[in-house]
Formats: sequence, C-alpha cells, structure tokens
Amino acid sequence: ELRLVESGGGVVQPGGSLRLSCAASGFTFDDYAMHWVRQAPGKALEWVSLISWDGGRTSYADSLRGRFTVSRDNTKNSLYLEMSSLTAEDSAFYYCVKDISSGSYFDFWGQGTLVTVSS
Amino acid sequence: AIQLTQSPSSLSASVGDRLTITCRASQGISSALAWYQQKPGKTPKVLIYDATILESGVPSRFSGSGSGTDFTLTISSLQPEDFATYYCQQFNIYPLTFGGGTKVEI
Repeated sequence: ELRLVESGGGVVQPGGSLRLSCAASGFTFDDYAMHWVRQAPGKALEWVSLISWDGGRTSYADSLRGRFTVSRDNTKNSLYLEMSSLTAEDSAFYYCVKDISSGSYFDFWGQGTLVTVSS
Repeated sequence: AIQLTQSPSSLSASVGDRLTITCRASQGISSALAWYQQKPGKTPKVLIYDATILESGVPSRFSGSGSGTDFTLTISSLQPEDFATYYCQQFNIYPLTFGGGTKVEI
C-alpha cells in the first residue's frame, strides 16, 4: 500500500523557517520524481516544487523567490522541504505528492501537514 | 509561468445533468493537461491525463477534450458523488500550474 506521511508543520513567526519531511513507503521511491503542492484553507491548489528521482533536477514556483529548497534522501525514502523567510501567504496545507514518472502529473498524495505563519 | 483559467469558478447542478468545465491556458501546452477532483477534506484524485485519457478506475461518465490552449472536462450525467471541486493542471512547461478550480454544488 502506498503511503506518504508528511511531518514538520506547525506555527512559525513571520520571517521564520521550517523544515517539512515526507516519509514514503509502498513503492520504489527512487524510481519517481516527487513534488510539494500547497493549499491554503478554502483556496486553490498551488504547485510548490519538484525534485527528480535522483535529486539532480529541481524546480520551484515563481512565487517562492528562492526561499524554499527541496531535497530527498533515497536511502531513507524521504522527501524534504526547507522553507525560510516565511510570510502569512505561506500558510497552507503542504502535500507531499508522487509523480506518475519523471515530472508531469500526480497520482498519489499524502494527507498534508499544516503550516501557519503568525505572530 | 503559464496561467490556467477555469470557468466557471462555481456552478449549481442537479443529479443527471450534463456538465462542462473549461480550462484555458495562457499559451499552448499541447495535450499536457490533467484534471483532478477534490472532495471536502480529501486530497485530489486524478481523473484525466494527457487531456483526454481516462485514469484507470474513473467512471466513463467523465471525459476530457482539447489541445493547445482550450480544454474541457465533461461529466455526462452528474452523480451525487461528483459534487466536488475540479482542477486542471498543466505539465507542458515548468513551473507547473493549476487552474483556480471549479466548485460543483447541488
């Protein structure tokens, strides 16, 4: 059974940093590109980042302005998202998402971790 | 970045209705488009990929059409379980982008 379990969300002050993690199981993790997608409560989905199967290729949403860094550890079947200089606009559920292959559309989502940026 | 404009943003419909949702891209994306369904409190589920291909297990009342800049998702006969929010997503050019969503209500 495929599982993606996010962790690391919480309340952080504006300007602060946070590291999200995603533990994957039930599939061959290093065969697939992975993504982070976020969704503020009641709002639309917003793609955040991609990392290729080997970590050699990454891509980010234009709106992030270089504040986020995605990484993966295939030995631990884990995906990460380092977030810095957080603002209220970054408050959202952050989903770890499996790609269908090498970076196109999505076929499995974790349940998400909530990030709230507030003083 | 490519912008995807969905219309309408919301609609009211009845069981048995035929429904069409449109997604327009700000530039051509070939057929690199997927459609997702999201129910309240749940994660999105892919319905259609490559603009027209039905994902395995998805009922045949769902269909997709289009290429280039204009795409449609059609539900031929709306069922109670279809009341949800629908999103299009392009994967032709990075950064990937989603449409703003279409909420289908009773």
